[in-house]
Amino acid sequence: AQSVAQPEDQVNVAEGNPLTVKCTYSVSGNPYLFWYVQYPNRGLQFLLKYITGDNLVKGSYGFEAEFNKSQTSFHLKKPSALVSDSALYFCAVLTNTNAGKSTFGDGTTLTVKP
Amino acid sequence: GAVVSQHPSRVICKSGTSVKIECRSLDFQATTMFWYRQFPKKSLMLMATSNEGSKATYEQGVEKDKFLINHASLTLSTLTVTSAHPEDSSFYICSAPSGRVYNEQFFGPGTRLTVL
Repeated sequence: AQSVAQPEDQVNVAEGNPLTVKCTYSVSGNPYLFWYVQYPNRGLQFLLKYITGDNLVKGSYGFEAEFNKSQTSFHLKKPSALVSDSALYFCAVLTNTNAGKSTFGDGTTLTVKP
Repeated sequence: GAVVSQHPSRVICKSGTSVKIECRSLDFQATTMFWYRQFPKKSLMLMATSNEGSKATYEQGVEKDKFLINHASLTLSTLTVTSAHPEDSSFYICSAPSGRVYNEQFFGPGTRLTVL
């Protein structure tokens, strides 16, 4: 079965510092991986995805993620965090390519302090 | 990107009543939509897959008669929480695949249900 794990429930960083939100995956076959962000009382917003090609994927709001096949990881990164990046972040793996069904991690709360 | 709307954004109801939540894809057609339930600061729990023109597919442990799903058109899916109870209070979110290969999902803004 396809699954993703986000080992950190909470990540705290200072504004201006680099941030990393971790995600590992377990899939049979090719992994199709996604990151979404959720602000309070809102739906999720798509940030970026890895399908194939370059292991470093760039997405919205200056975020990027690095696909590492040997470590089965897809960590989300940003070189310089902003207070406005504080939100709940979800890693997801596509489990049904035809229907678009995905399995989500448990989420990581990112807090960026001024 | 594509827009998915939900209505209402917030609803408060008495125990025992039924509540209908609408999910609409505003600028694209969605033969499939997903309904999630989210507990405070917790992950998304997929409840069911809504299929246009056919029955919804429910995840294990989700009561079909409790959470009625109807996908009446290519742009509208509804979730009806029947005989709601306080334990049904939650944040309900719908989504629709983008329609592109290796779909990302477009999410609605969510509906906060509070059952008194």
